[in-house]
Amino acid sequence: TQLLEQSPQFLSIQEGENLTVYCNSSSVFSSLQWYRQEPGEGPVLLVTVVTGGEVKKLKRLTFQFGDARKDSSLHITAAQPGDTGLYLCAGGKNSNYKLTFGKGTLLTVNP
Amino acid sequence: DADVTQTPRNRITKTGKRIMLECSQTKGHDRMYWYRQDPGLGLRLIYYSFDVKDINKGEISDGYSVSRQAQAKFSLSLESAIPNQTALYFCATSDYVGQPQHFGDGTRLSIL
Repeated sequence: TQLLEQSPQFLSIQEGENLTVYCNSSSVFSSLQWYRQEPGEGPVLLVTVVTGGEVKKLKRLTFQFGDARKDSSLHITAAQPGDTGLYLCAGGKNSNYKLTFGKGTLLTVNP
Repeated sequence: DADVTQTPRNRITKTGKRIMLECSQTKGHDRMYWYRQDPGLGLRLIYYSFDVKDINKGEISDGYSVSRQAQAKFSLSLESAIPNQTALYFCATSDYVGQPQHFGDGTRLSIL
């Protein structure tokens, strides 16, 4: 079974703080996706990384794919209350029929 | 209008009832998926379909069935609902295997 372990499971911080969440696996993935899910809505794609060592930035969010394509991290700079939500990572393989989702990190940013 | 629309958004029903959840999409994607989301368990795949004639079981298909009525429509049925099927259900689409999926806003299903 391919597993994606996300940590931490819960994170509560104050506005303006920085944070990093992690997504780790023993399996190699062709691509790694990050989604954010807000209450009452479905997950929404933030970014896809496909190359080992790749770094992508989306405003205050920085995503990194590990060199071996087994892990990824999401770093948020100067978090804002609007960043509150469930962050999910998902690994894809070209040879597989589905994405493997982590269980998510629930982030709360307090004003 | 949403690209992936799920109906109903909320449903409360009783044990033993047959329930159908519907999903329609305007993205033109061939691949459609049904997931359930439970606290602490993440998203688990119930069924998936790569085209109208291709239906496949996911990780947790027992107690569920699906129908792909058209490229744009994929419905999930609970033949005889039981309380442990209480969950948030999501439909998703993608344009090919392993690529980003586009989710509906979910159906919150409660079985009493």
